[in-house]
Amino acid sequence: AQSVSQHNHHVILSEAASLELGCNYSYGGTVNLFWYVQYPGQHLQLLLKYFSGDPLVKGIKGFEAEFIKSKFSFNLRKPSVQWSDTAEYFCAVTGSGNTGKLIFGQGTTLQVKP
Amino acid sequence: ETGVTQTPRHLVMGMTNKKSLKCEQHLGHNAMYWYKQSAKKPLELMFVYSLEERVENNSVPSRFSPECPNSSHLFLHLHTLQPEDSALYLCASSQDGATQQFFGPGTRLTVL
Repeated sequence: AQSVSQHNHHVILSEAASLELGCNYSYGGTVNLFWYVQYPGQHLQLLLKYFSGDPLVKGIKGFEAEFIKSKFSFNLRKPSVQWSDTAEYFCAVTGSGNTGKLIFGQGTTLQVKP
Repeated sequence: ETGVTQTPRHLVMGMTNKKSLKCEQHLGHNAMYWYKQSAKKPLELMFVYSLEERVENNSVPSRFSPECPNSSHLFLHLHTLQPEDSALYLCASSQDGATQQFFGPGTRLTVL
């Protein structure tokens, strides 16, 4: 079955700490991968995406993610978090030729303490 | 951001009511989506419309009825809902199916 698993449900960090959020997927065929973020009171917005090419992708606000095909993983990283990064983070996958059936993980709530 | 708008933002309805959620996208996209976001569960895709035709119905109960009259508008008609249908309903749009989706702010639905 197609699925996305995010290992961490709730992460609490102090400012300047490094962040890594795990994401593993189960999906046959070529995939497109996404990380979305939902800041408190705001709508979901794209953080970064991978379609093809360099497996290390850089997104907005200093975030990056690495696609490791052999591990079916697309972990999100940031070397130094800020209080403003407090949000919920969602990993998602769809097939590259798909009709748009985006499959989401259950989300990770990140709380950054000032 | 006003790319995808949704109305109303909040809705409280009884189980016997009929209501509709509206979504409008101003991005010139050709695909639109309805998602359900419940607490402690992944976002669930409900419906996909591509070029105004429904291409995906993710086993959604018939008390939810989508309508896509044109490429810019998407509705979700609701009738005889259950309390467990209370959730945040999100609309999204994209240009073609597998590309980035842009989300609206959602409608917070409470069914009494």
